[in-house]
Amino acid sequence: DSGVTQTPKHLITATGQRVTLRCSPRSGDLSVYWYQQSLDQGLQFLIQYYNGEERAKGNILERFSAQQFPDLHSELNLSSLELGDSALYFCASSPVGVGGELFFGEGSRLTVL
Amino acid sequence: AQSVTQLDSHVSVSEGTPVLLRCNYSSSYSPSLFWYVQHPNKGLQLLLKYTSAATLVKGINGFEAEFKKSETSFHLTKPSAHMSDAAEYFCVVSGASGTYKYIFGTGTRLKVLA
Repeated sequence: DSGVTQTPKHLITATGQRVTLRCSPRSGDLSVYWYQQSLDQGLQFLIQYYNGEERAKGNILERFSAQQFPDLHSELNLSSLELGDSALYFCASSPVGVGGELFFGEGSRLTVL
Repeated sequence: AQSVTQLDSHVSVSEGTPVLLRCNYSSSYSPSLFWYVQHPNKGLQLLLKYTSAATLVKGINGFEAEFKKSETSFHLTKPSAHMSDAAEYFCVVSGASGTYKYIFGTGTRLKVLA
């Protein structure tokens, strides 16, 4: 158990819909990272937050947004969903900003029909 | 800029034989390097990490990796493969000054044959 909690574990929805994925980092970790993993794209970095502030952005679509709240949990919002958004979405946390170990959650599997 | 290349997308070994998963990196700074393992439908788990201490790093489950600066490599090895080692392995580089990104390799799928 990494200490990182993601909900929901599985989500099935339709095209055009909007979903929210939630991540609770390990106690005390200030950094939260979001990744998308799909068969054709591999593991893609989406976005990172550090203590409530956006710190780095990767290949995140404009239809996607995220935030980190004062209690350090984070949410990833995916809107106007397309079939290609079906993937495993991982959250990871880290106690330091640079070079520290990432602790991954079990992921949220999103299926868009 | 940083980058990481996993030289093999698939590796097959027989149970009880050595494992070698290859990783080359590129970094303008002294990097932190990691190996993660992902079993099917699971999150990624840290196997080991290099952070400029000893160049031979020992990890969990009998894995180890050697940091070779002259070759810009960080290959993962295990003396004797076990069936439970079948998984996907990711080499990761991080730590360039002022950045917070972790660069993941494309992964190596390890198959262990009985």
